[in-house]
Formats: sequence, structure tokens, C-alpha cells
Amino acid sequence: EIVMTQSPAALSVSPGEGATLSCRASQSVSSSLAWYQQKPGQAPRLLIYGASTRATGIPARFSGSGSGTEFTLTISSLQSEDFAVYYCQQYDNWPPALTFGGGTKVEIK
Amino acid sequence: QITLKESGPTLVKPTQTLTLTCTFSGFSLSTTGVGVGWIRQPPGKALEWLALIYWDDDERYSPSLKSRLTITKNTSKNQVVLTMTNMDPVDTATYYCAHRTPITMVRAFDYWGQGTLVTVSS
Repeated sequence: EIVMTQSPAALSVSPGEGATLSCRASQSVSSSLAWYQQKPGQAPRLLIYGASTRATGIPARFSGSGSGTEFTLTISSLQSEDFAVYYCQQYDNWPPALTFGGGTKVEIK
Repeated sequence: QITLKESGPTLVKPTQTLTLTCTFSGFSLSTTGVGVGWIRQPPGKALEWLALIYWDDDERYSPSLKSRLTITKNTSKNQVVLTMTNMDPVDTATYYCAHRTPITMVRAFDYWGQGTLVTVSS
């Protein structure tokens, strides 16, 4: 099973600043990588798929990059509504499983 | 407009079988490419994918939980049912059902239910 490792576990950022989140796969997943945002008490929201394609309605300040084993989610100029937990998910290793990373919490500094 | 909603018991005893129902609207599980999955999240922890069923009855399971899971669909009722046997306190989690995006080759979830918290305790 492919293990997805996210770093850092938590990140303190001031509103208006940018943030860079990392996700590493234990083996290549090509570009089969999605990113989700989850706010407290809410279901996750799909942000990015195919490593770099924004899902419908996702603002341009969210961008994804990477391929193989190293991926990055960049949030430029954080807004108040962006403080949340972010998860990556691979879907290349199929079968046997879809796997999520452990998450990165983006907190207000 | 796509919506999904999970229903089922909020409390189950250890060793019991959990049955959760996902009732959805805005799409049909008889349409080519459509899939519905289940994902869970223990309190304060990360997401874990459990199972996925496709329009063509193809079923996929998490390898670590495969022996305990069964996913079925009722197309006429717009429902997907997940059963998990031999429940344990470590299975305490919020259980989500989600719509798999129809984008070709993308096994990600673009619409999610609100989730239902299931507690396993005697």
C-alpha cells in the first residue's frame, strides 16, 4: 500500500501571506493526486485533482504541482476562510487502495 | 444539484455489524462512470477510504478492511449501503459517503455527505 506523508503537520500563517504544503508518496503515483480542504465540523472539499487541475469553483489562489512522489499545494495570499486542514489523496495505485495523507493544519498566526 | 446523506445507528456495541445507508440525489448510479464511496474519519484523525462501488457493480475495498466490508447499491432507490462486521471501539469515527468525480481516470470525490458519527461502545 502506498503511504502518503504530509508536511508540516501544522503551519501558522498570517492572513495575506502565502503557504506551501507538501505531500510525499512512498512510491510514484504519477499525477494521480488530489487535494482536499476540511474545516471543523464539515466534510472535505475537493480542491485539486490530477496534481494541478483546480476543481470546479476553486479560487485561483489555490495551485497544485508535482508528479511522481513529490507534490505541493500552494495557497497564495491566505484568506480567513482558508484556515483549515488540508489532505492529499493518491489514486494511482489501483488496485488495491485509495490512500490519504495525515493532513496539514493551516492556522492563523 | 448533487446531494448525499448518510444514515444509520449512532451507537453500536463491540462485535456487532454496522449498516450505513447513503441516500443521494442529483445523479444516477446507472450512469456510466458514476461511483459512490465511503470514507471514515476517527475523531481528530485523518481520512481513511473504505469502499467504492461503480455503476457497473464493480466493488473495491480497502485491503486492510476488505474482510469486514460489503458495499451494495440500490439504483432504483438511489441508495448505497455499507456493512462493516465485527465492530470495535477503534472503528469509532465519522463515516462519509461521497460521489466519485466523473472525470475519466480520476478517483477523487467531488461531493460529500455531511457525515454520521458512529460510536462503538458497550
